[in-house]
Amino acid sequence: AQSVTQLDSQVPVFEEAPVELRCNYSSSVSVYLFWYVQYPNQGLQLLLKYLSGSTLVESINGFEAEFNKSQTSFHLRKPSVHISDTAEYFCAVSLSGAGSYQLTFGKGTKLSVIP
Amino acid sequence: GAGVSQTPSNKVTEKGKYVELRCDPISGHTALYWYRQSLGQGPEFLIYFQGTGAADDSGLPNDRFFAVRPEGSVSTLKIQRTERGDSAVYLCASSFVPTEAAEAFFGQGTRLTVV
Repeated sequence: AQSVTQLDSQVPVFEEAPVELRCNYSSSVSVYLFWYVQYPNQGLQLLLKYLSGSTLVESINGFEAEFNKSQTSFHLRKPSVHISDTAEYFCAVSLSGAGSYQLTFGKGTKLSVIP
Repeated sequence: GAGVSQTPSNKVTEKGKYVELRCDPISGHTALYWYRQSLGQGPEFLIYFQGTGAADDSGLPNDRFFAVRPEGSVSTLKIQRTERGDSAVYLCASSFVPTEAAEAFFGQGTRLTVV
């Protein structure tokens, strides 16, 4: 069975500082990787995903994540955060080619951007 | 509709009662998913529908939980003989096509409290 570990439950960071949210996964088969974000009082939204090809993927609002197969990681980074990035971030995987379309989520990381 | 709609947004019920939670997916989305998010945890998969049929119900915790999607659009999650441990946020998501790589669009959830 697959699993996702997000080591940090809360990450406080000052505005305009860089941030990294860590995600590690475990799976015996190939996976697709996702980061979802939940802003206050809103539903989960897809931030970015890795399916294949370039291991570095980017979102439209400046986040990026790099798939590292050897370390089974998919860490999320942003070089300079804004107040509006305050949200909870969830890393998730789905099994490639398994015919099972469910997502397995980590426990989430709450990012708090401090003015 | 513009997004995935879930009703009610909040539900308080007494232990032992029956509850129904409704999900109205994005128009045209053939795949529909139910997840459950307990406090401090990430969403956990419950069941997936492709059209009217439940293609994967491996996440349903026991036979008190049941879900239907009779016309391939709206879905209802039904919980019999509710227990305090059923308290959680129940999330519904839909996607245009059922693949492991598809983006899932989430509703804001129904917060169920069993007292």
